[in-house]
Amino acid sequence: GAGVSQSPSNKVTEKGKDVELRCDPISGHTALYWYRQSLGQGLEFLIYFQGNSAPDKSGLPSDRFSAERTGGSVSTLTIQRTQQEDSAVYLCASSLVLAGVYEQYFGPGTRLTVT
Amino acid sequence: RKEVEQDPGPFNVPEGATVAFNCTYSNSASQSFFWYRQDCRKEPKLLMSVYSSGNEDGRFTAQLNRASQYISLLIRDSKLSDSATYLCVVTRRGADGLTFGKGTHLIIQP
Repeated sequence: GAGVSQSPSNKVTEKGKDVELRCDPISGHTALYWYRQSLGQGLEFLIYFQGNSAPDKSGLPSDRFSAERTGGSVSTLTIQRTQQEDSAVYLCASSLVLAGVYEQYFGPGTRLTVT
Repeated sequence: RKEVEQDPGPFNVPEGATVAFNCTYSNSASQSFFWYRQDCRKEPKLLMSVYSSGNEDGRFTAQLNRASQYISLLIRDSKLSDSATYLCVVTRRGADGLTFGKGTHLIIQP
């Protein structure tokens, strides 16, 4: 079946511009996560959505970052007034919450470059 | 102490050899454990979940030691295609405590 998809695959933007990154999770997966990964670094958790519960935003690095998930499916991560340190690969994952186990499946990521 | 720690490597291992690496976690309330592999410039892919009793999938064996707070991954008869970064993932409670280690870089040499 279809996996997690993300768009765009690459995004180059000028410092100060806003960007929107999209994630389509696996159909039926109730949990959705956003991470970012800088070159040569580990994954940094950003935000987590689970069903209709309030999202866990504890990983968002600043108030320039926000995310929403409409209709329990597609999610959009928005970065306002982008800075060069925002350059990274932004990864989305989804999981089917089953008996407290959260096996996540990742999308291919969006490579964001802020010039 | 970091929540999840892994030896970054690289581990250089000859093809056919057995290799093992550990991941330690600091929070004793951690509930679920996973190993992911990540190829260069690709997204992480789930390799296997780690169960309390230990589990095996082909050449891969994962074990959990709750008393010492570490999980391990053993790869037998290593293949060139096993070259990748292996990420340890630990969940605290529910899914809102997912923590990834920074990964162990494995290079299988012919």
